[in-house]
Amino acid sequence: DVKVTQSSRYLVKRTGEKVFLECVQDMDHENMFWYRQDPGLGLRLIYFSYDVKMKEKGDIPEGYSVSREKKERFSLILESASTNQTSMYLCASSLLGASEQYFGPGTRLTVT
Amino acid sequence: EDQVTQSPEALRLQEGESSSLNCSYTVSGLRGLFWYRQDPGKGPEFLFTLYSAGEEKEKERLKATLTKKESFLHITAPKPEDSATYLCAVQAGGGADGLTFGKGTHLIIQP
Repeated sequence: DVKVTQSSRYLVKRTGEKVFLECVQDMDHENMFWYRQDPGLGLRLIYFSYDVKMKEKGDIPEGYSVSREKKERFSLILESASTNQTSMYLCASSLLGASEQYFGPGTRLTVT
Repeated sequence: EDQVTQSPEALRLQEGESSSLNCSYTVSGLRGLFWYRQDPGKGPEFLFTLYSAGEEKEKERLKATLTKKESFLHITAPKPEDSATYLCAVQAGGGADGLTFGKGTHLIIQP
């Protein structure tokens, strides 16, 4: 079974802090993704990566950056957290471009 | 712009009462349509992938179908454990591999 793990289930940070969300997958998948999920808005794509050191912007990249130094690990970085970044963050991975994505359990981030 | 609309937003059924969830989509070249199940506080769990009109997939009490404009998730004789939010997502042919999600249908099965 594919396993995608995220470093924290719950996180509370202050406005202006730098925040790192980590994601690790154990199935040698090429693609990794970061989404955020908000009530009434659904899941929205922030960034994705199709190879080590490669990254592509999704639909809502503003205020975020990513890092992929190893194939199995994909990090989401909030350079200066703001209250409007309070959300559920979901990481996913997939083997090929048009194949199903497998999601981690999510990190619920609260920025105060 | 790719769009996915799911209906209804919420559905309450009695145990054993079959029904269907709808997913309408507008994309520039469909590469795949995906159904997920999401339980409260958890990440989405993959159910099905459909690639072309006419395709059908089944798993236990669930059956997904696809036309050129919409997909249906049919639930036959549901049980309370089928209660969850069901998400539909599409992957377009335009380039990016990310999924565009609908807002989901919140399904409640009452015993």
